Amino acid sequence: DAGVIQSPRHEVTEMGQEVTLRCKPISGHDYLFWYRQTMMRGLELLIYFNNNVPIDDSGMPEDRFSAKMPNASFSTLKIQPSEPRDSAVYFCASREPGLAGYNEQFFGPGTRLTVL
Amino acid sequence: ILNVEQSPQSLHVQEGDSTNFTCSFPSSNFYALHWYRWETAKSPEALFVMTLNGDEKKKGRISATLNTKEGYSYLYIKGSQPEDSATYLCAQGAQKLVFGQGTRLTINP
Repeated sequence: DAGVIQSPRHEVTEMGQEVTLRCKPISGHDYLFWYRQTMMRGLELLIYFNNNVPIDDSGMPEDRFSAKMPNASFSTLKIQPSEPRDSAVYFCASREPGLAGYNEQFFGPGTRLTVL
Repeated sequence: ILNVEQSPQSLHVQEGDSTNFTCSFPSSNFYALHWYRWETAKSPEALFVMTLNGDEKKKGRISATLNTKEGYSYLYIKGSQPEDSATYLCAQGAQKLVFGQGTRLTINP
């Protein structure tokens, strides 16, 4: 199995531009999580999906952030418009079906976003 | 909101020495406790998932214990090696995990 796949691995953009991050979870996993990692706040959950349905988006910082999961093998996290404070590493993770919390999460390699 | 705390924030250990560090979490409404290992420039990888009070898990030279009544978990590394250098994260929750800030471990050769 290829593991969780994220693209792009690095993104440099200018303030005000739209940024789209992509994630392909491990086949058969029914939970998908988007995290953001910064020095100040550590690893924080932005949103998670179960069976392609958003369950909890309370971690999404503001309306500029949106996430979708149109099918079981693809999810996007979009920032529009982007701001310098959005610069961070964004991780996608997936988890196989089973008792919630009892199964480990598998993380993708992350996308390092720099907004100038 | 769960508050997961880890100590120390960073640790330098001589190769061959054993070490341990702590994850503290609210003991009420406990569901599961995860430990992840995060090497620089890589992504977090799961070490253990622990659910029962008194759980002890082991993987090679790394082991962990769990006390859900008092709200803490210890991670132990026996005979540290340079490849053990990483940040060790713990996280608590059910569907939604709350992560601590991590313990950054550096093994000096």
